[in-house]
Amino acid sequence: EAGVTQFPSHSVIEKGQTVTLRCDPISGHDNLYWYRRVMGKEIKFLLHFVKESKQDESGMPNNRFLAERTGGTYSTLKVQPAELEDSGVYFCASSQDRLLGSGYTFGSGTRLTVV
Amino acid sequence: EDKVVQSPLSLVVHEGDTVTLNCSYEVTNFRSLLWYKQEKKAPTFLFMLTSSGIEKKSGRLSSILDKKELFSILNITATQTGDSAVYLCAVSMKTSYDKVIFGPGTSLSVIP
Repeated sequence: EAGVTQFPSHSVIEKGQTVTLRCDPISGHDNLYWYRRVMGKEIKFLLHFVKESKQDESGMPNNRFLAERTGGTYSTLKVQPAELEDSGVYFCASSQDRLLGSGYTFGSGTRLTVV
Repeated sequence: EDKVVQSPLSLVVHEGDTVTLNCSYEVTNFRSLLWYKQEKKAPTFLFMLTSSGIEKKSGRLSSILDKKELFSILNITATQTGDSAVYLCAVSMKTSYDKVIFGPGTSLSVIP
């Protein structure tokens, strides 16, 4: 089966610009998660979708971040306007069951650099 | 505040050595502990541990959880250069659906 796909793999943008990251989960996985790792810090949770519904968005840093999952398939994470501290690697993960033994399947991440 | 701590943060060993990576946690309503291996890109799942004292094994890797002392270890025997990676420990909680808290990771380098 195809894995979790993220696009783009790298993005370099200027402060104040807008960037949209995309995640295609494994087909049939209702649960989709966004995480990010900023320089020198741990991977941190951003939010969790179950199908098209936001189950938990407690990790979203501020209102410059907007995540959507229309139709319950792929998801987008938009950062508008981007700030320097948004630089990092944004991971998407999906799972079929809610951590009932298999753990997440992660995508390769999008490395975002804001200059 | 919920947190996961890993030690050491960085480790260099020779091929054939055995290594033990440590993970301790302080979280409310613990549900499970997970280990991941991250090479260049996506973290890949290794183990999920929910019960104390039951060792999970996969080839040269094994892991065990101690819920009383709030820690887990990941052992790798007869290390190979392909084991070089960042090993991530993460903890999930009953009260937060499927959000997990990651530790900082242990960067393991295995040299020939």
